[in-house]
Amino acid sequence: QQQVKQSPQSLIVQKGGISIINCAYENTAFDYFPWYQQFPGKGPALLIAIRPDVSEKKEGRFTISFNKSAKQFSLHIMDSQPGDSATYFCAAMGTGGGADGLTFGKGTHLIIQP
Amino acid sequence: EAQVTQNPRYLITVTGKKLTVTCSQNMNHEYMSWYRQDPGLGLRQIYYSMNVEVTDKGDVPEGYKVSRKEKRNFPLILESPSPNQTSLYFCASSLLSGAGGGYTFGSGTRLTVV
Repeated sequence: QQQVKQSPQSLIVQKGGISIINCAYENTAFDYFPWYQQFPGKGPALLIAIRPDVSEKKEGRFTISFNKSAKQFSLHIMDSQPGDSATYFCAAMGTGGGADGLTFGKGTHLIIQP
Repeated sequence: EAQVTQNPRYLITVTGKKLTVTCSQNMNHEYMSWYRQDPGLGLRQIYYSMNVEVTDKGDVPEGYKVSRKEKRNFPLILESPSPNQTSLYFCASSLLSGAGGGYTFGSGTRLTVV
């Protein structure tokens, strides 16, 4: 059973446009939602993260929007640049003391066309 | 430099020949975990460890073993590799399992079993 569903699987955006990646989760015990960015040949790296007590978090050109009632969250990349081309993973976990780690979505391959 | 180091980066082996992928972190993290990454499936957790001598199964543990004799090291052992274990493997570490997703990933080990 997939606990975090991510879409789209791939995305092409023109330089300067807005990239939007969506995720939905099922487990209501999840209370931490990070996004990871992965470049070819590298491991995933933490990009930005949100907790459900806020509906939005912004760091530079990257924004997470969170809808607790719908159990959905999304990543918005404003003014997308060719250097943003990478694979993006959403993830979720519960931080209530359990031992479970991050549950990842299947990833979105983002290409920013110059 | 704070990092997670995996070795080897690339490995080609034959079915049934035991192998070990090493993972070492220099951040004094309690929590360590192994993931495998496959196209279209994202990152799936194999095993994790809360601390020395404390390990547990993740979502896809079949065919793998781990050990945690020292805090910094968390090797992944394939006793009898099979072709379906051909994958990209990542080791990750964190201060605590509930540290809010602040995982540091290694650069990955690409394993091919023929």
